[in-house]
Amino acid sequence: SQQGEEDPQALSIQEGENATMNCSYKTSINNLQWYRQNSGRGLVHLILIRSNEREKHSGRLRVTLDTSKKSSSLLITASRAADTASYFCATVPYSGAGSYQLTFGKGTKLSVIP
Amino acid sequence: GAVVSQHPSRVICKSGTSVKIECRSLDFQATTMFWYRQFPKQSLMLMATSNEGSKATYEQGVEKDKFLINHASLTLSTLTVTSAHPEDSSFYICSADTGTSGGTDTQYFGPGTRLTVL
Repeated sequence: SQQGEEDPQALSIQEGENATMNCSYKTSINNLQWYRQNSGRGLVHLILIRSNEREKHSGRLRVTLDTSKKSSSLLITASRAADTASYFCATVPYSGAGSYQLTFGKGTKLSVIP
Repeated sequence: GAVVSQHPSRVICKSGTSVKIECRSLDFQATTMFWYRQFPKQSLMLMATSNEGSKATYEQGVEKDKFLINHASLTLSTLTVTSAHPEDSSFYICSADTGTSGGTDTQYFGPGTRLTVL
């Protein structure tokens, strides 16, 4: 079953604005990851945040994790037209050795208008 | 580093034929590879987990006789769609685990294979 649920499903913003996407999940996790997918292409790993971390930065990306609410957010600052893509969160469950399957959410389709 | 390739990138076949998709880790050894399926405008659904030298573990609802997975080496896993039908048309993506940190770290994804069954 789907673990992560992103919202919004679609987001359209002007270039230069910030974009925030949210992800909720249901079970305990080891870590949560955000991926990007351009139309018809493979996935690109953006950032991984572990269950004992609350915030992580990478360039223009900021990810937060609230394990009490079982939610995460991805913030892209100063968006560019090239950021147009679908963004997925994926979770790795916390259940001991060998559990490393990623469960993906439905994704947020981001459109950045030049 | 950590590049995963897939071949072919796009394939069109007739109903009833079999199609093999290759997934290779180019610059690292992958003890575990994963196969996903993605329908248009939908998320990735895990089909199976492939471990080198052992049988693949299939997710519930995925027919193992229809989607044959072979992980013959630490750098190659193949997915064969047998007796393909139009409903098998989809985007198939593989990923490889680098095996660090107990297997809970980043998976690296291939570029995907678009399968169209006529």
